[in-house]
Amino acid sequence: DTGVSQDPRHKITKRGQNVTFRCDPISEHNRLYWYRQTLGQGPEFLTYFQNEAQLEKSRLLSDRFSAERPKGSFSTLEIQRTEQGDSAMYLCASSLSSANTGELFFGEGSRLTVL
Amino acid sequence: ILNVEQSPQSLHVQEGDSTNFTCSFPSSNFYALHWYRWETAKSPEALFVMTLNGDEKKKGRISATLNTKEGYSYLYIKGSQPEDSATYLCAFYNTDKLIFGTGTRLQVFP
Repeated sequence: DTGVSQDPRHKITKRGQNVTFRCDPISEHNRLYWYRQTLGQGPEFLTYFQNEAQLEKSRLLSDRFSAERPKGSFSTLEIQRTEQGDSAMYLCASSLSSANTGELFFGEGSRLTVL
Repeated sequence: ILNVEQSPQSLHVQEGDSTNFTCSFPSSNFYALHWYRWETAKSPEALFVMTLNGDEKKKGRISATLNTKEGYSYLYIKGSQPEDSATYLCAFYNTDKLIFGTGTRLQVFP
């Protein structure tokens, strides 16, 4: 299967630790998105890349969060000095910029629990 | 701030019941409206992408309608089955990203 894959699927960490999530998009997709979903909410946009360029960042993405897509393929999302409020499902999605209806293909998510 | 609202938040129905959900979105600068189904422990899966006012789309027992002038879309499930249990998300496409509603969580009891 060549869908979007995310790793790890689950992460439990202590407050103050750093965590990193990885996303491998569908190989021919040039856009990659990160969303965060907390209990009772829909997915909230964090940031997106077109190839290796980070084109938009939400104000939700505090300076403890950083995302990269160094070669325009996989992406990492790092959270430094985690807080309990960072506990959430982190979803990655990819798309083709030429598919101008905006359909996203999602991974299964990385669930973060900060103790 | 663009707001996408969905109702109800949750719904419990018996197998065989038909049900519908509402999504409301900004009626200005409309480009596309998406419906996704998200089952527990799986990835959100696209159901419909709707772009034209008056659009009606159907996939099996699930259908959706779109009114861009008044800013709403309905999702209908006919004869619900336990395998329809999931969270149904609508999303408004704006400036190269999707803005999601909070979802409607559907549980279908046998």
